Amino acid sequence: GAGVSQSPSNKVTEKGKDVELRCDPISGHTALYWYRQSLGQGLEFLIYFQGNSAPDKSGLPSDRFSAERTGGSVSTLTIQRTQQEDSAVYLCASSSPQVFTYEQYFGPGTRLTVT
Amino acid sequence: QKEVEQDPGPLSVPEGAIVSLNCTYSNSAFQYFMWYRQYSRKGPELLMYTYSSGNKEDGRFTAQVDKSSKYISLFIRDSQPSDSATYLCAIRGGSYIPTFGRGTSLIVHP
Repeated sequence: GAGVSQSPSNKVTEKGKDVELRCDPISGHTALYWYRQSLGQGLEFLIYFQGNSAPDKSGLPSDRFSAERTGGSVSTLTIQRTQQEDSAVYLCASSSPQVFTYEQYFGPGTRLTVT
Repeated sequence: QKEVEQDPGPLSVPEGAIVSLNCTYSNSAFQYFMWYRQYSRKGPELLMYTYSSGNKEDGRFTAQVDKSSKYISLFIRDSQPSDSATYLCAIRGGSYIPTFGRGTSLIVHP
């Protein structure tokens, strides 16, 4: 079946502009995560959605970052007034709480470059 | 001190070698231990999952957990060039949000 998809795959933007990154999770997966991966760094947790519960936003680095998930499916991560330090790969993952391991399935990521 | 420490490498080995990848962690509440493999320009994929101390084997891969030392390992036997990737450990407690290590870059040369 279809895996997690993300768009765009690459995004180059100028400092100060806003960007939107999209994630389509696996159908039926109620949990959705956003991570940021900078060069040589591990996965930095950003935000977690589970069903209709309030999202866990504890990883968002600043108020320039926000995310929403519409209809319990597609999610959009928005970065306002981008800075050069926002340059990274943004990864989305989904999982199903019906699976004991709570295995996360990752998308290919969006590579964001802020010039 | 980070909650999960992992040497970034790179680790370069000849084909056929046994590879040992390791992570240490600080939170004794962690109880679920995972290893992900990430190829270049791809998302991570789950390789191994363990819940308790001890060993778990899957083909050429063995995951080992020592909760008393807060130390986990992934062993790869008969390593192949196709194993060249970044290996990330991920650990979680009761939360559904795992903490990832920085990842170790592995290069297996023919």
